[in-house]
Amino acid sequence: AQSVAQPEDQVNVAEGNPLTVKCTYSVSGNPYLFWYVQYPNRGLQFLLKYITGDNLVKGSYGFEAEFNKSQTSFHLKKPSALVSDSALYFCAVSSYSSASKIIFGSGTRLSIRP
Amino acid sequence: DTAVSQTPKYLVTQMGNDKSIKCEQNLGHDTMYWYKQDSKKFLKIMFSYNNKELIINETVPNRFSPKSPDKAHLNLHINSLELGDSAVYFCASSQVRQSDEQFFGPGTRLTVL
Repeated sequence: AQSVAQPEDQVNVAEGNPLTVKCTYSVSGNPYLFWYVQYPNRGLQFLLKYITGDNLVKGSYGFEAEFNKSQTSFHLKKPSALVSDSALYFCAVSSYSSASKIIFGSGTRLSIRP
Repeated sequence: DTAVSQTPKYLVTQMGNDKSIKCEQNLGHDTMYWYKQDSKKFLKIMFSYNNKELIINETVPNRFSPKSPDKAHLNLHINSLELGDSAVYFCASSQVRQSDEQFFGPGTRLTVL
């Protein structure tokens, strides 16, 4: 069965510092991994995905994520945080065998202080 | 132009009533979804349709019935509403493949009194 874990409910970072939001997954076969962001009272927005190829994936708003197969992780990173990055972040996983079913993590609230 | 739209944005109703939420996408996608987000922000898939055909039907009470009149529309009808149905419901769409990202609507906040 597929699963995804976001071990931190909240991450607090000072503006200008690097940020990391953690995600680990479990899936049969090769994973498709996604990060989405949700701003207050809005729907989720796609940030980036890993399908195959280069383990470092770059996405919207300066975010990137690194796929680590041995650690089954897909952590979201940004070199320099902005206050406007404050939002709820979801990691998600699917696979070829999942029949279009995607599993979302529980979400991590990112708070960037000025 | 809004890619995935939902109506209404807010829905307040009494227990026992029947209500519908409508969703439309103008992205030309083949697959559409309904998700429920609870008060703790946990997101759970309810249904998925591919080209008007039901492909995912999670453990959801029979009171919830999706209907897809065409591949651009996926509506959600809820019978005999209960307090526990209060949540934000999101519609989403994507191309067919599991590797394709999903595009979400703005959500419908349902409050059952």
